[in-house]
Amino acid sequence: EVQLVESGGGLVQRGGSLRLSCAASGFTFSSYAMSWVRQAPGKGLEWVSSISGNADSTYYADSVKGRFTISRDDSKNTLFLQMNSLRAEDTAVYYCAKVRSYYYGSGLDYWGQGTLVTVSS
Amino acid sequence: QSALTQPASVSGSPGQSITISCTGTSSDVGGYNYVSWYQQHPGKAPKLMIYDVSNRPSGVSNRFSGSKSGNTASLTISGLQAEDEADYYCSSYTSNSRGVFGGGTKLTVL
Repeated sequence: EVQLVESGGGLVQRGGSLRLSCAASGFTFSSYAMSWVRQAPGKGLEWVSSISGNADSTYYADSVKGRFTISRDDSKNTLFLQMNSLRAEDTAVYYCAKVRSYYYGSGLDYWGQGTLVTVSS
Repeated sequence: QSALTQPASVSGSPGQSITISCTGTSSDVGGYNYVSWYQQHPGKAPKLMIYDVSNRPSGVSNRFSGSKSGNTASLTISGLQAEDEADYYCSSYTSNSRGVFGGGTKLTVL
């Protein structure tokens, strides 16, 4: 059974940093791209970042480029999102999701339960 | 990257069919067969319903179907059931290797 469990969310001041983690199990982690998707309170889904299997390619939304860094540790089946220079508009539930393919493109077939990040001003 | 355009809301009665549209550009929806659809119930994580325009993951009811014409993709739900009431989001791969979601459509089963 595929499981994705996020952790690391919480309350942080504007300009601060947080590191989100996503522990994966139930599939060959290194063979699939992974993504982060966020959802601000009462709003829709926003694609944040993706990383290919084996981390040879990474991509970011313009809204987070230069501030967020996606990475993965295939030896520990874990996905990360380092978030720096946080802004109030980064407040959201952050979901970790498995991509159906090695490179980002096809659908996100498994999602974690989400972790809430709140940036206070 | 601008969000894909979806109607804010749609509604239908049990047993009826509804269609949700998702309009993008030739740089996303129209340029790739990488359109997916997600169902989200309140307080829950999204669930993949359709991938690669028209494919259903294992376990998803065949009442859900997807299609695409030009820059517009569509999700059709036939035989509406009360449990289908949820928010639905489309998503597409884009020409700069990123992702983009639609604004979401709230489906109400009357």
